Amino acid sequence: DTGVSQDPRHKITKRGQNVTFRCDPISEHNRLYWYRQTLGQGPEFLTYFQNEAQLEKSRLLSDRFSAERPKGSFSTLEIQRTEQGDSAMYLCASRRSTTAETQYFGPGTRLTVL
Amino acid sequence: TQLLEQSPQFLSIQEGENLTVYCNSSSVFSSLQWYRQEPGEGPVLLVTVVTGGEVKKLKRLTFQFGDARKDSSLHITAAQPGDTGLYLCAGAEYGNKLVFGAGTILRVKS
Repeated sequence: DTGVSQDPRHKITKRGQNVTFRCDPISEHNRLYWYRQTLGQGPEFLTYFQNEAQLEKSRLLSDRFSAERPKGSFSTLEIQRTEQGDSAMYLCASRRSTTAETQYFGPGTRLTVL
Repeated sequence: TQLLEQSPQFLSIQEGENLTVYCNSSSVFSSLQWYRQEPGEGPVLLVTVVTGGEVKKLKRLTFQFGDARKDSSLHITAAQPGDTGLYLCAGAEYGNKLVFGAGTILRVKS
């Protein structure tokens, strides 16, 4: 399978705990994006990387959120001190920066904060 | 941030009927993408339109990008139950992130 993969697919945690999600983009895709989707809404942009550099962060990304892409391949998104409002689907997408702007999405990680 | 308004929000039709979903903005996008999403899954790309006035066909689906690159439509001919799902339009801000509409939930009854 050469698509975008995400792990875990589902995460249930208690309020106040830390969680970390992983995204593996399509190989040779140097741009990687994180989005968040709540029920009944379209995805909202959180942040993106070009290789290992984080180039933009949304105001939605509070201080409790941090994302990394240390070697320009996979990426992690960590949420510290989770709150019930963090419950959502977290989506990762990737694309080549040198071609059309099509982004390919992974299956997502569904986070439930109790 | 640019906004995309998608309509209708919900559509329930009988098998064999035609339908159109609209995606509108006051802003210009460098390209626009349509995705279909199943419950609990990530969006799956249907098409990318780049040129103003462009029309693309994918079997029974026809996509159009407005001349001014501010709006788009998705037309489905002779809808089938397998077309049921959430349809999302997303505009690309130059070189960077996607801005999504709220989506259209399509239900096709047999």
